[in-house]
Amino acid sequence: GESVGLHLPTLSVQEGDNSIINCAYSNSASDYFIWYKQESGKGPQFIIDIRSNMDKRQGQRVTVLLNKTVKHLSLQIAATQPGDSAVYFCAENINSGNQFYFGTGTSLTVIP
Amino acid sequence: KAGVTQTPRYLIKTRGQQVTLSCSPISGHRSVSWYQQTPGQGLQFLFEYFSETQRNKGNFPGRFSGRQFSNSRSEMNVSTLELGDSALYLCASTTTGTDGYTFGSGTRLTVV
Repeated sequence: GESVGLHLPTLSVQEGDNSIINCAYSNSASDYFIWYKQESGKGPQFIIDIRSNMDKRQGQRVTVLLNKTVKHLSLQIAATQPGDSAVYFCAENINSGNQFYFGTGTSLTVIP
Repeated sequence: KAGVTQTPRYLIKTRGQQVTLSCSPISGHRSVSWYQQTPGQGLQFLFEYFSETQRNKGNFPGRFSGRQFSNSRSEMNVSTLELGDSALYLCASTTTGTDGYTFGSGTRLTVV
């Protein structure tokens, strides 16, 4: 039969605008979340993390928001730059286990 | 400090052959995880090793195996290669396995 591949969500933003990338998770026992950035030809790179006892965490130009009620995670990138163009993955850890589960990823393109 | 090192970066093999990939984690990291990344399936967990013991295994056939040495370096082996094994194989290390991964750049395996 025909195989169905992942359809990677895409987001295009103008340079200087803010970007918001979303991620839904399904396991209410997930207690640790990480956002990764993957550029072409490279491995995923850690951006920011958040534990389930928090609902917001800020880094340099990035903010992660966690809404446990609706099991939703978002990554906000302020003043998006061309170097931010990449695929972004959310990853969740369940019950402080030793495996992370990755989302399908979102492809971000920054238009100069 | 040095990051996660994966060798080789690129590999071309023929169907039916076997292959061994190597991963050197960050110094002090005792947990090493392996992931397969394909456009169709995203990031799929293969297995995780901690102190030379496999603690967790994903849903892959027995042709995929791994091991970890006393210096935390890890290898994964794929026997009887199939065309569908063509993928980017990523290694990630952490101190305990429950904190955020640091990924290597991956080994791009092409099976012809």
